[in-house]
Amino acid sequence: EIVMTQSPATLSVSPGERATLSCRASENANDNVAWYQLKPGQAPRLLIFGASTRATGIPARFSGSGSGRQFTLTIGSLQSEDFAIYYCQQYTNWPPITFGPGTKVEIK
Amino acid sequence: EVQLVQSGAEVKKAGDSLKISCKGSGYSFTSYWIAWVRQMPDRGLEWMGIIYPRDHLRNSDIIYNPSFQGQVAISVDRSISTAYLEWSSLRASDTAIYYCAKSYVGNAFDPFDLWGQGTKVTVSS
Repeated sequence: EIVMTQSPATLSVSPGERATLSCRASENANDNVAWYQLKPGQAPRLLIFGASTRATGIPARFSGSGSGRQFTLTIGSLQSEDFAIYYCQQYTNWPPITFGPGTKVEIK
Repeated sequence: EVQLVQSGAEVKKAGDSLKISCKGSGYSFTSYWIAWVRQMPDRGLEWMGIIYPRDHLRNSDIIYNPSFQGQVAISVDRSISTAYLEWSSLRASDTAIYYCAKSYVGNAFDPFDLWGQGTKVTVSS
């Protein structure tokens, strides 16, 4: 099983600032990594798949990069609606598909 | 509208049985895998298993996370475009929010491009 770790656990950012979230895989995940946004009481939303491809309807301020074991989600200029928890997920080695523990992006 | 709509919150006692549902609409339900994902209180996401809602299900059309094998059962009713997650005997540790999610393209291990709103299950001991 590939173990995904994320850092930091919590990121405090002011609106308009840039946020950089990291995700590391315990083994080579190739580029089979996705990122999701989760807000309380809402369905999770797919942001990025294939490590760097934005899902349909996702604003350009969200970008993904990385391959192999190290991945990054960057939010270019944080909007109020972006404060949430973000999870990375690997789908290269299964079962099971595995998620990271999440990074909470909060208002500074 | 493309959506997955899950059944409502449940409050149960340890030892009870439970079956929660996830109804797909707005897309070809039989062409995409449906997964179940658990979120325990203040914890991350855990992939529980996945099912392909084809006619005449094969054994290979249901894949479980080894951690959940034997603890839950995943099934589907194609006629009403609904997937299910079932417990025969709940434990307090099953208290969580359960999400269903649709595979992005049509492979078992795609990312999930559509999620249900979640079903909160509370189990008291």
